[in-house]
Amino acid sequence: AQSVTQLDSHVSVSEGTPVLLRCNYSSSYSPSLFWYVQHPNKGLQLLLKYTSAATLVKGINGFEAEFKKSETSFHLTKPSAHMSDAAEYFCVVSGARSYQLTFGKGTKLSVIP
Amino acid sequence: EAGVAQSPRYKIIEKRQSVAFWCNPISGHATLYWYQQILGQGPKLLIQFQNNGVVDDSQLPKDRFSAERLKGVDSTLKIQPAKLEDSAVYLCASRGGAGVSTLSYEQYFGPGTRLTVT
Repeated sequence: AQSVTQLDSHVSVSEGTPVLLRCNYSSSYSPSLFWYVQHPNKGLQLLLKYTSAATLVKGINGFEAEFKKSETSFHLTKPSAHMSDAAEYFCVVSGARSYQLTFGKGTKLSVIP
Repeated sequence: EAGVAQSPRYKIIEKRQSVAFWCNPISGHATLYWYQQILGQGPKLLIQFQNNGVVDDSQLPKDRFSAERLKGVDSTLKIQPAKLEDSAVYLCASRGGAGVSTLSYEQYFGPGTRLTVT
């Protein structure tokens, strides 16, 4: 079985400062990992995905994440936060069977002007 | 291309009543998923279809929940009778790709239906 743990339920940053959203995973095999973003009253959108290629993954809107097997982590970062980044972020691991996704509990990102 | 459509967007019912949600996936997407997202939690998979067949419904509470995808396109999710703990957002997602386990194709999510059971 696989699972993800998002270490912070809420992160608050000032506009223009770096963003770090932390995620640890547990998997009995080589996992595929994703970050999704959910804006209020909108559907989930894929930010980026790791599928055993390069360990540093670049996504949309300037976000990136680094897969660290030794630390079982897949933290999401962005050099400079924008007001439009305020949303809920989910770390997700894919199962080996039928491409099923297991979501973390989410981290709410607030951006202060 | 049009995204995943869901209706209604909001629904309020009393406990023990029944309710149905509708999902229209992206055209050509063979795989369809229903998720339940309780407030403060991540989405949890309820059921997965491949065309009009069920791939996995192991987390679907079958005593009260049912889902179908008769022609391999639209899908409906029904709850009968509803309980207070069913209050949640119900998300539909679809995925293209050649097979059930192809990892290179992402899931596209609809806006969800927010259900409140009183």
